Amino acid sequence: RKEVEQDPGPFNVPEGATVAFNCTYSNSASQSFFWYRQDCRKEPKLLMSVYSSGNEDGRFTAQLNRASQYISLLIRDSKLSDSATYLCVVNRLDTGRRALTFGSGTRLQVQP
Amino acid sequence: NAGVTQTPKFQVLKTGQSMTLQCAQDMNHEYMSWYRQDPGMGLRLIHYSVGAGITDQGEVPNGYNVSRSTTEDFPLRLLSAAPSQTSVYFCASRAGTGVGEKLFFGSGTQLSVL
Repeated sequence: RKEVEQDPGPFNVPEGATVAFNCTYSNSASQSFFWYRQDCRKEPKLLMSVYSSGNEDGRFTAQLNRASQYISLLIRDSKLSDSATYLCVVNRLDTGRRALTFGSGTRLQVQP
Repeated sequence: NAGVTQTPKFQVLKTGQSMTLQCAQDMNHEYMSWYRQDPGMGLRLIHYSVGAGITDQGEVPNGYNVSRSTTEDFPLRLLSAAPSQTSVYFCASRAGTGVGEKLFFGSGTQLSVL
């Protein structure tokens, strides 16, 4: 089983739709969680960190469920410019070192 | 405001050739790292450094060498290129810790080994 799993998609949604992605992680020692956005053939960029109580940044809402070991990203009122791959990233202590593990990403295509 | 500068953007090598991917950052970050990204897989850590003179192996270090003589530069060397090293490579530096942690990536190098 992969340490961080994501549905690869693609998720094809119309403009204005609400879409949600989940990401599951297998290591219960995971400590911090992030969503990165990666446009086609570009470098990943931090979208948002995920706080234990959940957090919102404009149209984006991130949630963490430690009991079930998953994080989610909700995008409201989708824009064409939201089309990208969304990477789930998990940080944990591994034999005293912090280790970031990336999911393989969920592709979102917003259609006019 | 350059951030993380990575060169070259594209490279084609023959099996057995060596080369160095350059990475420089101007944000005075202590932590720098190299990742490779392959289709259907997440970014995988090759090597990382927590400061000048200190490097360590990541998840997939075989066939790669690194050094960190200055805070700014963190080159990645392919010693004898193999087709399995065909991939997209990203250099990154890191700011912050815990939930405030943020990676800054270079623009990537598309490497093909024939």
